Amino acid sequence: DAGVTQSPTHLIKTRGQQVTLRCSPKSGHDTVSWYQQALGQGPQFIFQYYEEEERQRGNFPDRFSGHQFPNYSSELNVNALLLGDSALYLCASSRPQGAHTEAFFGQGTRLTVV
Amino acid sequence: RKEVEQDPGPFNVPEGATVAFNCTYSNSASQSFFWYRQDCRKEPKLLMSVYSSGNEDGRFTAQLNRASQYISLLIRDSKLSDSATYLCVANSGGYQKVTFGTGTKLQVIP
Repeated sequence: DAGVTQSPTHLIKTRGQQVTLRCSPKSGHDTVSWYQQALGQGPQFIFQYYEEEERQRGNFPDRFSGHQFPNYSSELNVNALLLGDSALYLCASSRPQGAHTEAFFGQGTRLTVV
Repeated sequence: RKEVEQDPGPFNVPEGATVAFNCTYSNSASQSFFWYRQDCRKEPKLLMSVYSSGNEDGRFTAQLNRASQYISLLIRDSKLSDSATYLCVANSGGYQKVTFGTGTKLQVIP
């Protein structure tokens, strides 16, 4: 089992550019959540995808968008990058089991905006 | 008020010591809770799930107090390898949105 995989692992972009991050969930998982983790902070929930639809969204601007494919993999897109978007972007997959959902994380994509 | 709050630490403890972290949550609808461990510049990894009144796994014990809306993590006989940041997570159910605390940093000293 490959677990959750994310690509790329590191990325450097210029302010104003657009970026796409990718995530493949753990085998058997159908729900993908994206998080932003700034240095010294806990992960902040961006949004969650299930059945190819955004199901819930955190407090992030519309510059952050996503997509889920039929094979449950997902992309996170960020437009008009700001310096403050520099962070570790984590993807977590889960398979909801009632109220108890254990999320498994990928290794993250470290985005640096210069 | 943050939805999930933790003391950021750092907690500096000697090897072999017992250390406890608390985490408070504000959303009374939270149904399940987790502790994750995160090593420097790595992804969080699930340490323990906390169901009903709590559970134990080796040197680690997690407790849940719904009346006071907090969970705790107790680590006995601390090892150097326990040094990490411990993230508290509350799941408010529904669409399984999970909310992370900012983490508590633990440093176990030889």
